[in-house]
Amino acid sequence: NAGVTQTPKFRILKIGQSMTLQCTQDMNHNYMYWYRQDPGMGLKLIYYSVGAGITDKGEVPNGYNVSRSTTEDFPLRLELAAPSQTSVYFCATPSKGRHLGGANVLTFGAGSRLTVL
Amino acid sequence: AQSVTQPDIHITVSEGASLELRCNYSYGATPYLFWYVQSPGQGLQLLLKYFSGDTLVQGIKGFEAEFKRSQSSFNLRKPSVHWSDAAEYFCAVGALPATGNQFYFGTGTSLTVIP
Repeated sequence: NAGVTQTPKFRILKIGQSMTLQCTQDMNHNYMYWYRQDPGMGLKLIYYSVGAGITDKGEVPNGYNVSRSTTEDFPLRLELAAPSQTSVYFCATPSKGRHLGGANVLTFGAGSRLTVL
Repeated sequence: AQSVTQPDIHITVSEGASLELRCNYSYGATPYLFWYVQSPGQGLQLLLKYFSGDTLVQGIKGFEAEFKRSQSSFNLRKPSVHWSDAAEYFCAVGALPATGNQFYFGTGTSLTVIP
């Protein structure tokens, strides 16, 4: 089925370790997003990409890096994990809506739960 | 600045009772409005959306929402709640694709359904 695939689903890291959260979409969409979700805080945008080779910071980019070498993949990297990065991470891509204005609907991955101890 | 407010952090309703979840937004242009639902351990699923036209929109699972421009609100309703509706609900406002950060989410409302 077409959609957004995230790996891993769960991960425990020690402080200072690094890791990459993988995100792949098979819908050939240009835009891709990384959000983090914390209790009572909703979703905050970490980074986004408007196409291969183009990325930009969102609301909470500190401590993260991204790359977009292909349309399909948008990995999120944590270089030096900190307890403040304990969260659930969601990758998403907006589908082109049928509305004339071009407004989009987000399709989300299932999420990656990260714990930093 | 764009923002979305969901004033109710947690709501408890009895199965079969009606439900209304509140959402207020602040946005400088015509908003595109969404409600998403998140079941435990899952990603977010679109319930319904408003782009233009009829201000009462129907969604999946028997949900509906009404856009009231004068009140900057987009409240979600369901006439009779089922136990399977227990989940977290997020209201969001979207922008046109020309802007990078297209979506702003509320902090969510957690719904508990009691038998």
